[in-house]
Amino acid sequence: QTVVTQEASLTVSPGGTVTLTCASSTGAVTSVNYPNWFQQKPGQAPRPLIYSTNNKHSWTPARFSGSLFGGKAALTLSGVQPEDEAEYYCLLYSGGAQPWIFGGGTKLTVL
Amino acid sequence: QVQLVESGGGLVKPGGSLRLSCAASGFTFSDYFMNWIRQAPGKGLEWVSHIAPSSTMKHYADSVKGRFTVYRDNAENSLYLQMNSLRAEDTATYYCARDLNWSVDSWGQGTLVTVSS
Repeated sequence: QTVVTQEASLTVSPGGTVTLTCASSTGAVTSVNYPNWFQQKPGQAPRPLIYSTNNKHSWTPARFSGSLFGGKAALTLSGVQPEDEAEYYCLLYSGGAQPWIFGGGTKLTVL
Repeated sequence: QVQLVESGGGLVKPGGSLRLSCAASGFTFSDYFMNWIRQAPGKGLEWVSHIAPSSTMKHYADSVKGRFTVYRDNAENSLYLQMNSLRAEDTATYYCARDLNWSVDSWGQGTLVTVSS
């Protein structure tokens, strides 16, 4: 069964840049995994940020960007704001009997 | 605007059953794949199930296969999850979410299911 791995936690300073990654146990993440990224704050439902690797929703702030790098999906935050402190989850499409798989999440601290 | 509202959660004993509902509005429900996603208290997100727009395809996570059944009523703009043989590890907030062209772009606020004796 595919396992999707994210960094457990990262810390970034306000105004800084940070990259979160999302890896698959079955091999390189590619565009056909259609990586989605979500932000979740305590007590709230997840908020979609990115779909199909690098596409932003209309509400996604410009400082968020998605990419593929080194066989992983990546979410980069540039010019981090205090309100970006949250848990971030990636979601990969793998097709087959269990088409969607979440990563374990990255807790981002802005300090 | 797009709205997804889950209901039907509550406290149920191990081995019991529960049916969750998700009422959709603000979009053409019959165009979208729909998903159930859950989150145990203090834990990460887990994809549970999804169903094609015309119900021709359904998939389940191994953890719920054979116990949960997803179905939808496009005429009523509603998604359902019938949960049988519930276990303590099914305790979670259950979200419905829509997806189109591999973009999971809208979620409900969730309904809490607690399985406990």
